[in-house]
Amino acid sequence: QSALTQFRSVSGSPGQSVTISCTGTSSDVGGYNYVSWYQQHPGKAPKLLIYDVSKRPSGVPDRFSGSKSGNTASLTISGLQAEDEADYYCCSYAGRYTVVFGGGTKLTVL
Amino acid sequence: EVQLVESGGGLVQPGGSLRLSCAASGFTFSSYWMHWVRQAPGKGLVWVSRINSDGSSPSYADSVKGRFTISRDNAKNTLYLQMSSLRAEDTAVYYCARDGSYYFHADWGQGTLVTVSS
Repeated sequence: QSALTQFRSVSGSPGQSVTISCTGTSSDVGGYNYVSWYQQHPGKAPKLLIYDVSKRPSGVPDRFSGSKSGNTASLTISGLQAEDEADYYCCSYAGRYTVVFGGGTKLTVL
Repeated sequence: EVQLVESGGGLVQPGGSLRLSCAASGFTFSSYWMHWVRQAPGKGLVWVSRINSDGSSPSYADSVKGRFTISRDNAKNTLYLQMSSLRAEDTAVYYCARDGSYYFHADWGQGTLVTVSS
């Protein structure tokens, strides 16, 4: 149950697009289409952004999109806005009814 | 509206025990898997445990297996986490979360802080 690998930080200017990556193994990200992404603002509970690799819950703007290639999942945020500044976490099913999170990526909007 | 309200956190000595509760409302509790996820101060999210809808099949992270027990009372719409043999590294905010079917966390509570210290 090793944590998925995320870069610690990423930044972008308003209006730009940024992509946050999440690398696992064939035992988690690569083996199942159960990848989800969460946004967390300081002092707040996480919020679901993407599930099942690329599906968006109702209410989440279509500026947020997810994808997967092999053992790496990605979250792309287009049309970056100031309120997107937050921590982002990926999560994957890891077999045997267990789940594993990534270490998190801090997004800074310049 | 889905509501998840955790309680039971506090200060406990190393080796001690604590039971967390999560009161659920706004959805049919007995139909959903539930999870506990924790976050140490200044650190990332870590999955702790999951329980299926009737409580018959719990699963745990290796770091808590044998020390923590997840359970649920569907009549009371409440999820529990019994924590024993607590260590300093268990210090964290503990969140309960509703599984969205499956293996993602659709809704989250506000969290309850557990501090393990002498």
